[in-house]
Amino acid sequence: SQTIHQWPATLVQPVGSPLSLECTVEGTSNPNLYWYRQAAGRGLQLLFYSVGIGQISSEVPQNLSASRPQDRQFILSSKKLLLSDSGFYLCAWNVDRINEKLFFGSGTQLSVL
Amino acid sequence: GEDVEQSLFLSVREGDSSVINCTYTDSSSTYLYWYKQEPGAGLQLLTYIFSNMDMKQDQRLTVLLNKKDKHLSLRIADTQTGDSAIYFCAETLYNNNDMRFGAGTRLTVKP
Repeated sequence: SQTIHQWPATLVQPVGSPLSLECTVEGTSNPNLYWYRQAAGRGLQLLFYSVGIGQISSEVPQNLSASRPQDRQFILSSKKLLLSDSGFYLCAWNVDRINEKLFFGSGTQLSVL
Repeated sequence: GEDVEQSLFLSVREGDSSVINCTYTDSSSTYLYWYKQEPGAGLQLLTYIFSNMDMKQDQRLTVLLNKKDKHLSLRIADTQTGDSAIYFCAETLYNNNDMRFGAGTRLTVKP
């Protein structure tokens, strides 16, 4: 069966520090991978998606970047965190880009102080 | 504003039915979803409905879709304290790669 792992679960970082969040999927090949951010009291905002190794699409301009060095690995990064980067980050995957349900990781709560 | 709208809070008593409502604006929506998020956790898919259906039932969950009014609802029968969570409505559009989410409805179940 397919599983998705996301870590760390919580992270507290000072402003200006770098960030690296990792997500891996097991049990499937060539998944579509996604990074979402959930701000308090708001819906999910799609940040990045990837349909294959090295292929990254960005939905919104921001202080973050994403990379996909391996088929089932998706990394969310920042060189210098801002206060506004605080939030709950969710990794997700599916097989078919169009009209297929997403499966989510357990999330990372990021607090930038 | 949001393309998918939900009320932010709902409070019910244990054993009652809960109805969580959602409206969407794009008539080309193809699939509509309900996700559940427990505190500090990721989203769990509860159920989904294809846009050519008007109802889907799965145990205690009933999804109703009114495509004319672009209204989706999730009814939870015999609501339990374990149903307390945030419920997200989401849609995918025909020939569009993204899933759009509402802001989520926080359901509180009181004993």
